[in-house]
Amino acid sequence: AQKITQTQPGMFVQEKEAVTLDCTYDTSDPSYGLFWYKQPSSGEMIFLIYQGSYDQQNATEGRYSLNFQKARKSANLVISASQLGDSAMYFCAMREASLGANSKLTFGKGITLSVRP
Amino acid sequence: DTGVSQDPRHKITKRGQNVTFRCDPISEHNRLYWYRQTLGQGPEFLTYFQNEAQLEKSRLLSDRFSAERPKGSFSTLEIQRTEQGDSAMYLCASSLVVTRQIYGYTFGSGTRLTVV
Repeated sequence: AQKITQTQPGMFVQEKEAVTLDCTYDTSDPSYGLFWYKQPSSGEMIFLIYQGSYDQQNATEGRYSLNFQKARKSANLVISASQLGDSAMYFCAMREASLGANSKLTFGKGITLSVRP
Repeated sequence: DTGVSQDPRHKITKRGQNVTFRCDPISEHNRLYWYRQTLGQGPEFLTYFQNEAQLEKSRLLSDRFSAERPKGSFSTLEIQRTEQGDSAMYLCASSLVVTRQIYGYTFGSGTRLTVV
């Protein structure tokens, strides 16, 4: 079963507007972490935001916030005030924490975001 | 600290040749990971090291692939007898793990392999 699902094939947003990128996940591990990464055309994976499964509040980092709905197993990324430089691929990833010492990340297929001027 | 460095950035090789990639992690990070990313997909886990010990290998890592991390510092990923299906971006990441607490992951810019 797919552990991270990102079904939006491509998203477009007008500059300065907000956009939500969807992510659903599947795990039976009660302890896990959710990550969002940005990958511009240069290829580097840039960390954006992290949400732990036991965190009481939704994570925020500058213009990025994570809409964490644990019961629905969703962890949507909200980017406020979009900028042209936000155009990139965005990946949701999960780390299950209770599987021994393994700390690998499992990624979704990603979403392409294009910001229009 | 210059982050995670990968070399080369790009590699074009003929089918059947061997290639080797290098990853230099953040110096104080004790874990190092290799991922493979094909076009239009997310990165897929290949293997990871805790210091110099290789602790897990994905089934994606066929016998033609070998990874090492001598002395727990830099790591190399070698692909023998390359095939066109090996064409992908190979990403390296490192993290600091202390008593099972992980303090983030830092990725390199990747090595893009093209097998012709």
